[in-house]
Amino acid sequence: DIQMTQSPSSLSASVGDRVTITCRASQFISTFLNWYQQKPGKAPKVLISASNNLQSGVPSRFSGDGVGTDFTLTITSLQPEDFATYYCQQSYSTPRTFGQGTKVEIK
Amino acid sequence: QVQLQESGPGLVEPLQTLSLTCAVSTGGSINSGDYYWSWIRQPPGKGLEWLGYMYNSRSSYYNPSLKSRLVISGDTSKNQFSLNLTSVTAADTAVYYCARARPMWGDFDLWGQGTLVTVSS
Repeated sequence: DIQMTQSPSSLSASVGDRVTITCRASQFISTFLNWYQQKPGKAPKVLISASNNLQSGVPSRFSGDGVGTDFTLTITSLQPEDFATYYCQQSYSTPRTFGQGTKVEIK
Repeated sequence: QVQLQESGPGLVEPLQTLSLTCAVSTGGSINSGDYYWSWIRQPPGKGLEWLGYMYNSRSSYYNPSLKSRLVISGDTSKNQFSLNLTSVTAADTAVYYCARARPMWGDFDLWGQGTLVTVSS
């Protein structure tokens, strides 16, 4: 199985801050990397697919980058509605696997 | 707008079989081959685990960690797909989500609301 490791596991930030979350795969996954946002009591929502493809309706302050094993999710100016848990997920091979999540909290 | 809706018991006794169904609303067909119809779970306070998916209502792929206990199948007449997990234990307590995956990039672009299943006597 491909292991996905996110860092940090949690972070505290203020509205307007730039936030970067990293995701590392245990082996090469090309650009088969997706990012999700999950709010308490809700299902995850896909933000970015294929490393850097912003999904329809997702604000442009979200962006993704990376290829191979190392990936990043960046929020350029954190908004109140962005406080949530973020997960990366690889779709290079089965079983599909997720990172352990990064909780973004209000400072 | 296609929607997914999970249904099934919220409480299952240990060693019994957990059965859930995901209804796919009008506009999306499980038989089309355009998507992988998936199950994902999340234990309380923990991360996400992919369980498996069904493709084209005939082929299924499972997480090896569950493979011997899990069956995912489809009912094309009702446009729904199901999960059956046998011999459950407390470790199977989780919110279970059905989700739709896009074959090209493998992202889960549509999710049900999730249903909490507790394994307890």
